[in-house]
Amino acid sequence: AQSVAQPEDQVNVAEGNPLTVKCTYSVSGNPYLFWYVQYPNRGLQFLLKYITGDNLVKGSYGFEAEFNKSQTSFHLKKPSALVSDSALYFCAVRVYNFNKFYFGSGTKLNVKP
Amino acid sequence: DVKVTQSSRYLVKRTGEKVFLECVQDMDHENMFWYRQDPGLGLRLIYFSYDVKMKEKGDIPEGYSVSREKKERFSLILESASTNQTSMYLCASSLLGGVGQETQYFGPGTRLLVL
Repeated sequence: AQSVAQPEDQVNVAEGNPLTVKCTYSVSGNPYLFWYVQYPNRGLQFLLKYITGDNLVKGSYGFEAEFNKSQTSFHLKKPSALVSDSALYFCAVRVYNFNKFYFGSGTKLNVKP
Repeated sequence: DVKVTQSSRYLVKRTGEKVFLECVQDMDHENMFWYRQDPGLGLRLIYFSYDVKMKEKGDIPEGYSVSREKKERFSLILESASTNQTSMYLCASSLLGGVGQETQYFGPGTRLLVL
């Protein structure tokens, strides 16, 4: 069965510090991996994706993520957090040739001034 | 610019009522999806559709049905609303093929309260 795990319900970080939001996955087949962000009372916004190629992918708002096949992980990172990055972050996976996406349970990121 | 709209942002209904949630996308996407979002559970797929009049069950279809009569519109129907269907409902769309098929675009969500 396909699944995505976000082991942390909440991540707290001080503004200006680097941040990491963790994601691991379990799929049969080649994964397509995504990160989405959700601000309060809003829908999900696409941040970045890994399809193939370079394991380090860069996305919107200075975020990046590293695909690690051996550890089946796709952690989201940013070198210097902003208070405005505070939101709910979702990791998702899709298997090639299937239309279904599988989402993690979400991680709330709190960036304190 | 990509746009997915949902008919209501907030909805309050009574137990047993029939509820219609509508979603419209203007991107000519083949795929459309309905999810519900609950704290600690993330997004769970209710139904999706890859073409007009076509539908497939997701992970939690019980108590729901869908309708896709036009490519741009995908409706979620709660046949007889129950309190455990109180949730945030999110609609999404994506292309069926090509480079962009992988990305889903989401609507703003409908927060449904069933009393």
